[in-house]
Amino acid sequence: GEDVEQSLFLSVREGDSSVINCTYTDSSSTYLYWYKQEPGAGLQLLTYIFSNMDMKQDQRLTVLLNKKDKHLSLRIADTQTGDSAIYFCAERYSSASKIIFGSGTRLSIRP
Amino acid sequence: DTGVSQDPRHKITKRGQNVTFRCDPISEHNRLYWYRQTLGQGPEFLTYFQNEAQLEKSRLLSDRFSAERPKGSFSTLEIQRTEQGDSAMYLCASQGGTGSSGANVLTFGAGSRLTVL
Repeated sequence: GEDVEQSLFLSVREGDSSVINCTYTDSSSTYLYWYKQEPGAGLQLLTYIFSNMDMKQDQRLTVLLNKKDKHLSLRIADTQTGDSAIYFCAERYSSASKIIFGSGTRLSIRP
Repeated sequence: DTGVSQDPRHKITKRGQNVTFRCDPISEHNRLYWYRQTLGQGPEFLTYFQNEAQLEKSRLLSDRFSAERPKGSFSTLEIQRTEQGDSAMYLCASQGGTGSSGANVLTFGAGSRLTVL
């Protein structure tokens, strides 16, 4: 079936690292994505990873993919107040072009 | 071309009325998607087009919903006989262009928020 699961909330202290986790069900997924949505704004692509990769790093963002466990994570180093948002994990199936999103993880930053 | 444009940004209507939303994708993108997002949820896939062809439609989409992309450029999403349960943000996204990033990622518009009274 088509399902992407995320925890609903994460609270971290400013300056710490944030790790947002996601699990998905389709082992044939080709691309996995992280999108960010700030209040009142549209979805903004943060990064994506192809399924033959284990890790991808882009400045403060590190994506880890464990295909065996169908687990994806997003690590944000040195979390800032501007990182407060909802983060969506998404996957793209190999057999279709639609992209399926999780319910999102709300990241809040405490001083 | 600065991105995906959606119009209107907000629509308030009475139950039973018809509404239409328009999406203008990034000009070189050949794929266009419609999603619906309700409070506290992720975007829910509705339908998508490759050029003017509608290739997939969600089973969740009732017959009151119809989407078109007549010339393979802009798209419209019409909801007939609106119900209160249709209240949501309707998101459009486009995909395509050259290079791996353009071909494999969705660029979203700001959305059209529908409130059905």
